[in-house]
Amino acid sequence: GQQVMQIPQYQHVQEGEDFTTYCNSSTTLSNIQWYKQRPGGHPVFLIQLVKSGEVKKQKRLTFQFGEAKKNSSLHITATQTTDVGTYFCAVRERGSTLGRLYFGRGTQLTVWP
Amino acid sequence: NAGVMQNPRHLVRRRGQEARLRCSPMKGHSHVYWYRQLPEEGLKFMVYLQKENIIDESGMPKERFSAEFPKEGPSILRIQQVVRGDSAAYFCASNTQGANTEAFFGQGTRLTVV
Repeated sequence: GQQVMQIPQYQHVQEGEDFTTYCNSSTTLSNIQWYKQRPGGHPVFLIQLVKSGEVKKQKRLTFQFGEAKKNSSLHITATQTTDVGTYFCAVRERGSTLGRLYFGRGTQLTVWP
Repeated sequence: NAGVMQNPRHLVRRRGQEARLRCSPMKGHSHVYWYRQLPEEGLKFMVYLQKENIIDESGMPKERFSAEFPKEGPSILRIQQVVRGDSAAYFCASNTQGANTEAFFGQGTRLTVV
């Protein structure tokens, strides 16, 4: 099945600093999704990237999909305490539109005020 | 439109007992997925169901675990003879037909086996 490696596992930043998490795959991905899970909460969908080299922004969040569609990143500019949580990348079963999602291990973000 | 509803939110079972976790998908969604999450780990796929059908159960342990999604009522994840290693958060997600759609997750059931 699909596998995605996600780094780093933990990131501690001072409020106002930037944060980036990376996902890598050994195979070409058809698309990649990003989710956020607050402490004690459930995963919430953030975005899906489909096109090679795609860049999407949501306020302070910037999502990128690599040219080879084998890697992706999520970058947060000027973190706030509300950004605390674990960020996961996820990919669907190859060739599937409704199959299982394979999740990265997640990056747990802590923001110090 | 209520989201994905899971109950109970917290469940405590003694070793050897049975645990039943329920999931009602979002209105209009006919695809249900169960995932398990251990502390500080990612989500691991367990099973994918449509109404009255198991589509993919490749992530489900062969013994003690079963899942169903009947024509009427919620999807049920059943764990028989629970052991301490079953303690985890169990999340249900649903989505609907469409290309590469997002998954909508319920709030999860935190199972503790004592």
